[in-house]
Amino acid sequence: KNQVEQSPQSLIILEGKNCTLQCNYTVSPFSNLRWYKQDTGRGPVSLTIMTFSENTKSNGRYTATLDADTKQSSLHITASQLSDSASYICVVSRHSGGYQKVTFGIGTKLQVIP
Amino acid sequence: NAGVTQTPKFQVLKTGQSMTLQCAQDMNHEYMSWYRQDPGMGLRLIHYSVGAGITDQGEVPNGYNVSRSTTEDFPLRLLSAAPSQTSVYFCASSYAASDTQYFGPGTRLTVL
Repeated sequence: KNQVEQSPQSLIILEGKNCTLQCNYTVSPFSNLRWYKQDTGRGPVSLTIMTFSENTKSNGRYTATLDADTKQSSLHITASQLSDSASYICVVSRHSGGYQKVTFGIGTKLQVIP
Repeated sequence: NAGVTQTPKFQVLKTGQSMTLQCAQDMNHEYMSWYRQDPGMGLRLIHYSVGAGITDQGEVPNGYNVSRSTTEDFPLRLLSAAPSQTSVYFCASSYAASDTQYFGPGTRLTVL
């Protein structure tokens, strides 16, 4: 079954600290993996996309890693800011019948406090 | 560019009522999709379209209808609303199914 599991479900950190969010997936055949940020009451916004051959990608203070062998990804946030408070969703795409099909994780809810 | 727009932002319906959630994009994207987001679950695909005149079912299509007469618009119709359809609905678009999707702001629907 194609699944995406994220941990932790929620996280509270102090402003300025770093944190790492985890994503494990069983989606196959793998096409790409994206991390989205979803602010409360808004639609998700893409942070990074990684294909099979990439194992690290950065977007400012966000760094995503991918281990396609173990089917794990992580999102590392450096020097957190209050504006990082949001849900972070891992999304894995697979090839299916000539189209791409996506599976969304439930997300990790991050709260950054002063 | 307005990106992806959705109307209404909020809606309350009674069981059995029908309504249409509107979605429009001005990025000339071929691929558009509708998702619903429920607490404790990831976004689930309801219907999608790979271009004008072409639609297909996603993971949870029952109780919903779509059409795609233009590239820009992709409305979602609830035929006979049920309390189980209480959810937040997101429309998204991209150049192709494999590309990064751009999401609208969502419609929060409550069915009593």
